[in-house]
Amino acid sequence: SQTIHQWPATLVQPVGSPLSLECTVEGTSNPNLYWYRQAAGRGLQLLFYSVGIGQISSEVPQNLSASRPQDRQFILSSKKLLLSDSGFYLCAWSPSRLFYEQYFGPGTRLTVT
Amino acid sequence: KNEVEQSPQNLTAQEGEFITINCSYSVGISALHWLQQHPGGGIVSLFMLSSGKKKHGRLIATINIQEKHSSLHITASHPRDSAVYICAASNNDMRFGAGTRLTVKP
Repeated sequence: SQTIHQWPATLVQPVGSPLSLECTVEGTSNPNLYWYRQAAGRGLQLLFYSVGIGQISSEVPQNLSASRPQDRQFILSSKKLLLSDSGFYLCAWSPSRLFYEQYFGPGTRLTVT
Repeated sequence: KNEVEQSPQNLTAQEGEFITINCSYSVGISALHWLQQHPGGGIVSLFMLSSGKKKHGRLIATINIQEKHSSLHITASHPRDSAVYICAASNNDMRFGAGTRLTVKP
């Protein structure tokens, strides 16, 4: 069966520090991968999606970037965190058609201080 | 106006009650999703539908493509159904509603 992992589960980082959140999927190959953010008191927002290694699509301009170095690995990064980057970050995957049938990871709660 | 609107924002029910959460969207979609988010933050996908009706246990989701409207129904509600229910419209991206916070009291 397929599983999706995210780490860390929680993170407290100072403003200006770098960020790296990792997401991996097991039990499938060539998944579509997604990063979402849920800021405090706000709805979910799609940040990035990827259909394959090295292929990243960005939905909104921001202080963040994403990379997919391996088929089942998706990384969210920042060189310098802002206070507004605080939120709950969710990774998800889907097996076939883009934006269909998504399975979500447990999430990372990021607090920028 | 948001592209995906949910109502109500908050809903409190007594155990056993029939619950309806509504979702209206103004964008073209390939699918409409209903998600459940528990207090810890984890999200589970409940339904993905592009037409008609789907049922899973006590949960029923319907969609009317012409009216651009979907509903999520919970029959015989239980305190463990307490969560935030989120509607999302997908096409070439995902657009989310603000969520409906459901509290079911014993």
